[in-house]
Amino acid sequence: EIVLTQSPGTLSLSLGERATLSCRASQSVSSSYLAWYQQKPGQAPRLLIHGASSRATGIPDRFSGSGSGTDFTLTISRLEPEDFAVYYCQQYGGSPPGYTFGQGTKLEIK
Amino acid sequence: QVQLVQSGAEVKKPGASVKVSCKGSGYTFSSYDISWVRQAPGQGLEWMGWISAYNGNTNYAQKFQGRVTMTTDTSTNTAYMELGSLRSDDTAVYYCARDSFPYGSGNYPFGYWGLGTLVTVSS
Repeated sequence: EIVLTQSPGTLSLSLGERATLSCRASQSVSSSYLAWYQQKPGQAPRLLIHGASSRATGIPDRFSGSGSGTDFTLTISRLEPEDFAVYYCQQYGGSPPGYTFGQGTKLEIK
Repeated sequence: QVQLVQSGAEVKKPGASVKVSCKGSGYTFSSYDISWVRQAPGQGLEWMGWISAYNGNTNYAQKFQGRVTMTTDTSTNTAYMELGSLRSDDTAVYYCARDSFPYGSGNYPFGYWGLGTLVTVSS
């Protein structure tokens, strides 16, 4: 089973700053089957990025994903007030096909 | 529009079972897999397993094998997750989630989520 480790645990930044969130896998993620989700308090998660770098429908272009193999990054270019939330990476596919989540990164206002 | 409507909150005693439902609308129910994900209070997301609404195939996370059963009823477009032998650490919000693309069999991320069902296990 692939283990995903996210860092940092908490990231404190100001409006307009750039956020860089990391997700490291214990073994290579096949075909870049790596997704990112955003979750706000009391809400269900929302898909932001799939296939490591493809934005989901309706996601603003300030969100971008990159990486391959075992190292992946979610970047938010200029933080807006609504971006402060918890972010999870997720691995999917594999053999047998299944899912694993990272433990999350909390992005808070500085 | 795609919607996943989950059943209401439950309170159960240790050792009991709970069955949570998830009714899909706005899409062809039988073409998409449904996964179940839970989140304990203040904790992260934990995938429990998926079921194909097309053929009923399932894949359960090893942690829950033997204790979870996922089913679908295509006549009512509803998926179900039953968890047995409940313990206090099963207290969590349980989400159903639909694959982004059809016939995924575990190979697609979750494009749509229900609002969650709080299950509280307490004596």
